[in-house]
Order: sequence, then C-alpha cells, then structure tokens
Amino acid sequence: NFLLTQPHSVSASPGKTVTISCTRSSGSVGNNYVQWYQQRPGSVPTIVIYEDDRRPSGVPDRFSGSIDSSSNSASLTISGLKTEDEADYYCQSYDTSVWVFGGGTRLTVL
Amino acid sequence: EVQLLESGGGLVQPGGSLRLSCAASGFTFNNFAMHWVRQAPGRGLEWVSGITATTSTTQYADSVKGRFIISRDNSKNTLYLQMNTLRAEDTAVYYCAKLRALVYFDYWGQGTLVTVSS
Repeated sequence: NFLLTQPHSVSASPGKTVTISCTRSSGSVGNNYVQWYQQRPGSVPTIVIYEDDRRPSGVPDRFSGSIDSSSNSASLTISGLKTEDEADYYCQSYDTSVWVFGGGTRLTVL
Repeated sequence: EVQLLESGGGLVQPGGSLRLSCAASGFTFNNFAMHWVRQAPGRGLEWVSGITATTSTTQYADSVKGRFIISRDNSKNTLYLQMNTLRAEDTAVYYCAKLRALVYFDYWGQGTLVTVSS
C-alpha cells in the first residue's frame, strides 16, 4: 500500500491564493485519480475535486486541482480565499482495492 | 435527493461487537459500490471497508481485516458493518459513503459514533 502525505496546516489571508500538496509515497500519482474533500468543523466531508482536476457542480471555480508526475504529488489550489474556505482538506486516491486518504491539512483563513 | 442514514453506534466494551447499518435512498442502490470510512476524535479520515454493487466482493483496510465484515441487502437498500473484537482504537465516527466511478466518494452519511471503552 501507499501513503498520501499532506502538510499539517496552511494559512493565508482573505483574497489570497493557497496551495495544498499531497505526495504519494509509492507508485505513480498519475496511475490513479486523486480527489480532494473539504470538511468544515462539525460537518461531513464533501468532495471539491475529483479525478485530479474536475469540479463537481456547485463547487466554485476558485477551487482547482492538478497533478505533478515529477514530484509524484497532487495539489489543491484555492484562489480568492474566503473565510468560509476555512476547513480541513483531505486528498484521496486508491490502488488495488485499497482507498487511501491523506492525513489532512487544516486551512486557516486569517 | 441522495440520503444515507447510519445507525447502530454506541458504547461497547473492548472485545465486544456492534453492527452498523446505513439506509440508502434517492438513488439506485444496487448500481453502486458502498464503503465505510471512519474518523477518530480529532483525527483524519480513514478508509475502512468497501463492497461492490452486485457481486458483493469486499475490501478491507489492514487495521480491520479479520475483525469487521461488510455486507449489503440490495432488497432493503441497506449497507451493514459487523464489527467484532473491538478495540479502543476503533473509537470513531463511522460514515457510510457512496462510491462513484469506482474512484471517489460522492455522498456521505452524517455518521454514527462508536465508542469502545470499559
């Protein structure tokens, strides 16, 4: 199995742009789609990016996803930060009948 | 509207058993794989187990393999998780989640809390 490693926390001011990374420990990040979930305090996780870079309907285009094969990582970028974006963000991928979540990143909008 | 409603959580002693249920509605249940994901207090998300739509092929995280059993009853639109030989580290909110395109979880239930303590 593989691990997905995320920074424990990131912070930025309203209106700014922040990027959260998710590095896959083994196997190629490009071989299996990466998803991103947002979990606000006391709430259920909701998906904000699926299949590397696709946004579900209802998710603002301030949210974008990408993968980088050279660093074997995926990234979630949130632009034009709003206070409502303050939440925990989890990346997720899968391989050979195992679904894996990253440890989560706490985003603080100062 | 897709709805997933978990039940069956509670306080159980170490070594005990518990069965969780997840009642699904708003979609064709037997067309989708279903999974359980848990979250220990103050911790991150951990995938627990999954089951395919019709063949009921099952998958388990190493942390629960041999102790938990996932099943489904497509006639009742219900997902189950039988949890045996429970340990303190199994304490968590357990979410059922619908799997989309065999890849990602597009709908989640509100969760049910399982506490393993003496």
